[in-house]
Amino acid sequence: QVQLQQWGAGVLKPSETLSLTCAVYRGSFSGYYWSWIRQPPGKGLEWIGEINHTGSINYNPSLKSRVSISRDTSKKQFSLKLSSVTSADTAIYYCARGRTQTSWFDPWGQGTLVTVSS
Amino acid sequence: EIVMTQSPATLSVSPGERATLSCRASQSVASNLAWYQQKLGQAPRLLIYGASTRANGLPARFSGSGSGTEFTLTISSLQAEDFAVYYCQQYNDWPLTFGGGTKVEIK
Repeated sequence: QVQLQQWGAGVLKPSETLSLTCAVYRGSFSGYYWSWIRQPPGKGLEWIGEINHTGSINYNPSLKSRVSISRDTSKKQFSLKLSSVTSADTAIYYCARGRTQTSWFDPWGQGTLVTVSS
Repeated sequence: EIVMTQSPATLSVSPGERATLSCRASQSVASNLAWYQQKLGQAPRLLIYGASTRANGLPARFSGSGSGTEFTLTISSLQAEDFAVYYCQQYNDWPLTFGGGTKVEIK
C-alpha cells in the first residue's frame, strides 16, 4: 500500500526558509492531490496547501504569501518551502494524500518536527 | 473560512462504554466531513469520510453521521486502543479546516 516518507531540516533560525520533501512509495503520483499540514506542539491541525501531478496548486490564504509547494513527478516527490519563519511556525509538519482537490487525507507521512529558535 | 468546532474538548469514558463526539461547522459542508484519530507521537489516521463512510479496515464500532453543519462520531464500545484525540475536517471548501479535537480519556 502507498507510503509517504518525508524529510527536511528540523531546526531553523528566525527569518530562514523551511524546506521539506515528501516521497510517494508503492503508489501512483498521478490522479491525486498532495498536501502539507502542520500541527504546533499540543495543538490542532492546520492545512497549508496542496498540489497535483499537473502542478495545480491551492494554498491556505493565511500562509499564501510565504508558502511555495512544488513537485517532481519523475521522482514522485513534492516539496514545501515556507519563508521568513518565526517561532509561530514551530510545528510538526505532515505530508498527506488527498483523493481530489478538497478531500480527506489518507495516508499521512510520519511527520517532521520543525523548531524555529534563535 | 469554515470554522469547525468540536465538543466536548475532553471526554472521560470507561472501557466498554459508548462515546459520542460532536463536530459543528460554521456553515454547511454538506457531507464533506472526515474524522481522524491521533495517538500520542503518531500521525492522524483516517477513520471516516463522506460523513459516514468507514475507512478500509475500520472496526464497525466506529460510525459517523450527520450532514450540513452537525456531525457525530460514535464509538459504540470503547476499547483500550481507542483512547486518543479525534479531529473532524471539512473538505467542502478551501481552506480545508480541522476542528480543535476531542480527547477521549479513560475514566
